[in-house]
Parts: sequence; C-alpha cells; structure tokens
Amino acid sequence: EPEVTQTPSHQVTQMGQEVILRCVPISNHLYFYWYRQILGQKVEFLVSFYNNEISEKSEIFDDQFSVERPDGSNFTLKIRSTKLEDSAMYFCAGGQVSNQPQHFGDGTRLSIL
Amino acid sequence: GIQVEQSPPDLILQEGANSTLRCNFSDSVNNLQWFHQNPWGQLINLFYIPSGTKQNGRLSATTVATERYSLLYISSSQTTDSGVYFCAVVSNNNDMRFGAGTRLTVKP
Repeated sequence: EPEVTQTPSHQVTQMGQEVILRCVPISNHLYFYWYRQILGQKVEFLVSFYNNEISEKSEIFDDQFSVERPDGSNFTLKIRSTKLEDSAMYFCAGGQVSNQPQHFGDGTRLSIL
Repeated sequence: GIQVEQSPPDLILQEGANSTLRCNFSDSVNNLQWFHQNPWGQLINLFYIPSGTKQNGRLSATTVATERYSLLYISSSQTTDSGVYFCAVVSNNNDMRFGAGTRLTVKP
C-alpha cells in the first residue's frame, strides 16, 4: 500500500536556524497538509495546499513558515528562523479529494536547542 | 471554527475488557477519522467514518452525523491497544481539527 514518506525522522537544530521538513505524498493525491503536535498535546492544523497554492492556513502558520511543492513530488515545510516553541512533531498528510480520508506520514520530530 | 471534544480523557482497562470512546463535534462534517497514536508517535488511521457504522476486527465505529457525535468501540482489549486515540473532523473548510484525545492504558 502506498505511503506518505517524511524525512528526516528526527531533526535537531539550533534556535534561529532555518529548517526544511520534507514529505513525499502518495502519487495520486492532490491535497496536501502539514500538522504540528507539541509534546503531550493534540494535533494542530497548520496549512493545506492544493493546485500549487495555499488553500487554508491556521493562525499558527505565520510569516516564519512557508510551504512549497517544487518538483511535483516533494512537499516541504520551511521554518525560516526557528524558536524554542517550534519544537514539536510535524506531520505531513495528503488526500485525493478534500473531504476524503487524509493519509498521514510518520512525522518528523523537530527539536530546537 | 468547529469544536471537537473527546471523552473520557483517560481510560484504564484490564486486558480483555471492552470500552467506548466518544467524540462530539459542534458543526456538520464532511470527513471524520479515528486515529490511534502509538508509543512511537505514529498516527495510525483506524476509520474514515463521516456517517454510519464500520467494523474492523475488534474495533468498530459509529457516527451519527445528525446528532454530531461518533463512538469508537474496542472489544477484548489488548495491551497493544494502549496509546492515544484521536478523533478528527473536516467541516466546510479544508482543515482537519483534532480532539484532545483519549489516553488508553490496557493493563495485563
């Protein structure tokens, strides 16, 4: 069964540095998402992406965040200047249609020092 | 935005017991999914169930969309069922909203 693949599984970065989290969605998916889960808390929506542009974003997704699908395959989340509070598990997800099930990757654990 | 409430927040069971987890949501939904987050942090999709009833082995789920709730049933629980169970919904917007989860501990 096809899977959503996220790399790296764990990223450790110094505060203030830029970080890029990568995702390879399932090939026939059209809708792409990023979510964040701070340790011990619930999963929070960050952004959805369709037709090469952002379709929805939450209040968490400020100017420090950006998303890109540069080559029609990878879907990336960039945090421009990381803060301690960016430490979390970041999940990528995808779906064929907006109201159909979303398939999640295994997540990238981001630790900011 | 849509509110998602799960109950109970914590549940401790003996192996072999049955349980029911509840998810209430505040608006009509196009999508509802139940996830199990295992100890490694992975979100395992259990059910896609915007309405109706589905069964998969010892697990089943029912969503009554008109009354804005969903139930997840776990029968004959095993220690490997331990973890956090999340309900997540999509309403008119494209974003998925998660509940706070139910932390299940199954004791041998």
